[in-house]
Amino acid sequence: DVKVTQSSRYLVKRTGEKVFLECVQDMDHENMFWYRQDPGLGLRLIYFSYDVKMKEKGDIPEGYSVSREKKERFSLILESASTNQTSMYLCASQTGEGAKNIQYFGAGTRLSVL
Amino acid sequence: GNSVTQMEGPVTLSEEAFLTINCTYTATGYPSLFWYVQYPGEGLQLLLKATKADDKGSNKGFEATYRKETTSFHLEKGSVQVSDSAVYFCALKNQGGKLIFGQGTELSVKP
Repeated sequence: DVKVTQSSRYLVKRTGEKVFLECVQDMDHENMFWYRQDPGLGLRLIYFSYDVKMKEKGDIPEGYSVSREKKERFSLILESASTNQTSMYLCASQTGEGAKNIQYFGAGTRLSVL
Repeated sequence: GNSVTQMEGPVTLSEEAFLTINCTYTATGYPSLFWYVQYPGEGLQLLLKATKADDKGSNKGFEATYRKETTSFHLEKGSVQVSDSAVYFCALKNQGGKLIFGQGTELSVKP
């Protein structure tokens, strides 16, 4: 079974803090993704990566950055957390870019910024 | 552009009732279509998928048929259980790997 592991289920941070959300997958997938999930808005893509050291902006990259130093790990960074970044964050991985390929999701990190 | 529209929730049903969650899409090319499910406190899991027109995806008693003529991929189940209570997401994916999600439909099944 594919396993996508997010390091924290719940995080509480203060405004202005630098926040790291970590994601690890064990299936040697090339592609990894970060989404945020908000009620009524579904999932929105923040950033994605097709390979080590590569990153692409998604639909809502403002206020976020990412790091992919190793194939299995994809980190989401909030440089200076703000209250409007309070949300559920979901990581996913996928092999290849084909339309038929399945994305596998982690359990999510619920972040509260106070 | 690509987009997915789902019926709004929450949907509340009694156990053993028939379920339909509507999903329509707009896309260029020939996308694959997916239903994901999110149980309380968990991430998303793939429920079923269809990769070309007239394909039927099915899993755990749920099914959905890829209808190109109506650009729809409605989710159905003949008899829901309390354990089906979750949020259901319809999604499409074109070549290039990015998933486009609908806004999600919350289902609550009462005993």
